[in-house]
This record gives sequence, structure tokens and C-alpha cells, in this order.
Amino acid sequence: GAVVSQHPSWVICKSGTSVKIECRSLDFQATTMFWYRQFPKQSLMLMATSNEGSKATYEQGVEKDKFLINHASLTLSTLTVTSAHPEDSSFYICSAPRRLQNIQYFGAGTRLSVL
Amino acid sequence: GNSVTQMEGPVTLSEEAFLTINCTYTATGYPSLFWYVQYPGEGLQLLLKATKADDKGSNKGFEATYRKETTSFHLEKGSVQVSDSAVYFCALTPWDFGTGTKLQVIP
Repeated sequence: GAVVSQHPSWVICKSGTSVKIECRSLDFQATTMFWYRQFPKQSLMLMATSNEGSKATYEQGVEKDKFLINHASLTLSTLTVTSAHPEDSSFYICSAPRRLQNIQYFGAGTRLSVL
Repeated sequence: GNSVTQMEGPVTLSEEAFLTINCTYTATGYPSLFWYVQYPGEGLQLLLKATKADDKGSNKGFEATYRKETTSFHLEKGSVQVSDSAVYFCALTPWDFGTGTKLQVIP
């Protein structure tokens, strides 16, 4: 079964509203989680590294005020797309590394459509 | 820094054909290497990995060998099935993914 749960799987919202996406590690603690954005031609872009108990580390070109990341516990990270616009429509994927196994587990992704 | 170069797709094969998806990398040190698979509408899942030179990762009939001398980690399968249709990603670290190769297998 899934070891990383991502919710919701699909969200449609109006332009200007905010959307929160949750990423949970189900049976292990994740001090670090990653947030990706996947573009139509399938390429993955790492947006930010979420760190439990401290600020997220954003990749170059990613607006931290637009994509708010909170890693409030060892099993939960959230990505909030603030004041969403149609150009933010995309597939967002989270992942959590399980260090003991040196494996990265991915959520099933969230399809965001901004009207 | 690190980088991953993966062959562009899409790749279209008939069922039971042989598959190779090329992946080469540049990295400092000797990182672990990974192949992930993404089925339509889903997130990524680990397909196989190799942690050191000459290691062979294998899963579901797929194989890849960690070649230090050629800095490659090519994915192969002897006989593909329609259910293998997906996007395949080669990766070093969470920061270093290939661009993905879409595979379509036709009956």
C-alpha cells in the first residue's frame, strides 16, 4: 500500500483563491519532504524542500510567498498555493525519503485546475 | 553539480519488443541511481535502484546496471507488455531527475 498519502487528488478552484495540498508519510517519520511540479510534457521540477520545524528551502525561481510550505510534524507537510491563477494549474507531487532504505516515496499527485 | 540526461521520447513499441531507455549522469562521488515509473494519472513509484558500480537493479522484468566507466544506467526489458506503458524517470537524488521518457506499448 501507499506509504505517502497526498490529498486532494484533484482540485478545481476559482482564480484568486488559495488551495492547500497535504502530504503525509503513513508509516515512517519524514523530517524532509519534497514538492514537485510536473509540466505537460512530463518533466518534473523540484519546487522546494520542506523541513520539519524550520523554513522550507525553495529552488531558484519559485516564489515562496505564492507557494507556502509548512512542515508542522514529522509526518505532514502542506503546500498552499496562494491567490491561484490559471498559470498555476499543474500536477503537484510530493515525496518523502525513507533514509534507512535510501528510497524516495511519492504521493499520487494533485491535479490543480484554476479557472 | 550533478545532472541526468535521459533519452527523449516518446518511445512506441509493439508488445514483446525489447526496450532500452538510455540514461547517463554526471555526479561527484558515487551516488545511488534510480529508475522511477509513473503510470497515467499517478505519482511516481520506485522501479529499481543500484547503489554502487556494477550493481544491477531489477524488478518486474526491468533491469539496469550501474556502469561507472560510462556513467550510465540504461533501463532494459526483454519483452514489454501493454501494461508497461508509462513514463520512466532516471534519477540520482531528489534534486536530479531526468526529463522522463514516455513509453507506449501497442498490442
